[in-house]
This record gives sequence, C-alpha cells and structure tokens, in this order.
Amino acid sequence: GAVVSQHPSRVICKSGTSVKIECRSLDFQATTMFWYRQFPKKSLMLMATSNEGSKATYEQGVEKDKFLINHASLTLSTLTVTSAHPEDSSFYICSAMRQFNQPQHFGDGTRLSIL
Amino acid sequence: DQQVKQNSPSLSVQEGRISILNCDYTNSMFDYFLWYKKYPAEGPTFLISISSIKDKNEDGRFTVFLNKSAKHLSLHIVPSQPGDSAVYFCAARANAGGTSYGKLTFGQGTILTVHP
Repeated sequence: GAVVSQHPSRVICKSGTSVKIECRSLDFQATTMFWYRQFPKKSLMLMATSNEGSKATYEQGVEKDKFLINHASLTLSTLTVTSAHPEDSSFYICSAMRQFNQPQHFGDGTRLSIL
Repeated sequence: DQQVKQNSPSLSVQEGRISILNCDYTNSMFDYFLWYKKYPAEGPTFLISISSIKDKNEDGRFTVFLNKSAKHLSLHIVPSQPGDSAVYFCAARANAGGTSYGKLTFGQGTILTVHP
C-alpha cells in the first residue's frame, strides 16, 4: 500500500526557534503533497498544496513567511515553522497523492509544542 | 462556511451490528468523495472512496453510498467490530483544477465506538 512517513512525530521547543517537519512518500512518487493542521477536537485544516519543483499554494489566512514549504523531489516535502510561538502549537499532518484520481495518503502527524 | 458536514459528533454501536456514518455537502462542484479513519495522534487512514458517477462502492465490510440529488453520502460498516472504534472523516474534492488540484475538504469527524 501507499506509505507516507512524517518526521519527527513530536517536537518540543522554545519560542522563537524554527522547526522543520519532513514528509516522505516511501513507495510511490507523489505529484502533490499537502500540509494540514488539526486543532483539538476539530477537523483537518488544509494549510497549503505543494507540487514538486514549484511554489506551494497557500490557503487563505495561512502566512507564507511563517510556514515555509519546500517540495524538492517527488518523494519529499518539508514544512518549516519559522520563529515558532506558543500559538503555533498544534498537530501538523502531511499527505501525498500519486496522481489526481487517487486518494491522498497521510503521514502519522507531528505534534508540535512551543513553550 | 462548512462545505462538508458530519452532523453526528459521535455514534455508539454494538459489535456485529451495522454502523452508519453520514455526511452532507453543499458544493455541487465536488465530484470525488472519500472516507478516512483516524486514531488519536495518528494520521488518517484511507478507507474507501466514490466518484460522483457512481452511487455505491463496496469494499469488504465497508460500503459508501452517494445520493447526489440530496448531496449526501454515507458509510456503512457491517458487521461492526471493536477495532473499528475511531474517528471517521468524510472528505470531498472538487474537480476545479488549477491551484485547487486534488484539494480535499474534510468534515468535522464522527467518533465511532463499537461495544463488544
């Protein structure tokens, strides 16, 4: 089956630091990867869509300079939360899609806690 | 504007019985629908999907029904098992292309509890 690996699974760091989260599709090439954020007891909120070799498309209200996305290859996308603050604490999940008519497959998420 | 709604926050079912999870949508541009299962602190796991050209898709114990006129879909799990206990999300995709390529809109989720 389609396997998506997300690393790290948990991060605790001080306010002001930058945190990088990696998302890898292990057994398929992903034309598109997505980054979501989930608040407690809420649904998944799409932050941005990432296509390999091009700039990410951010959803309304998501700060591009705050959440830097790089999609350097067909199997790797990274999300960097820059100058993180306590309000950025959340559960971040990535997904990868092999091609348009196929479902997205999700990583196991990263629990980010900013002190 | 919640384009995909799961109006039941939770559902409790006895083992062996049928679980029916419901989802409503408002955007007529949605043409592909998916159900995901999620455990705490994990990412969603894909269960089953259906294209708008169909009204039913079946995979083992899971069946998804789509009623386009009512803008309603449901997931049936039969027989239900305790291991099915999780949060279930429905999601929808619009065939809008461009920057919306492949973008999914998720419902709020329904917590399913299957009692032994």
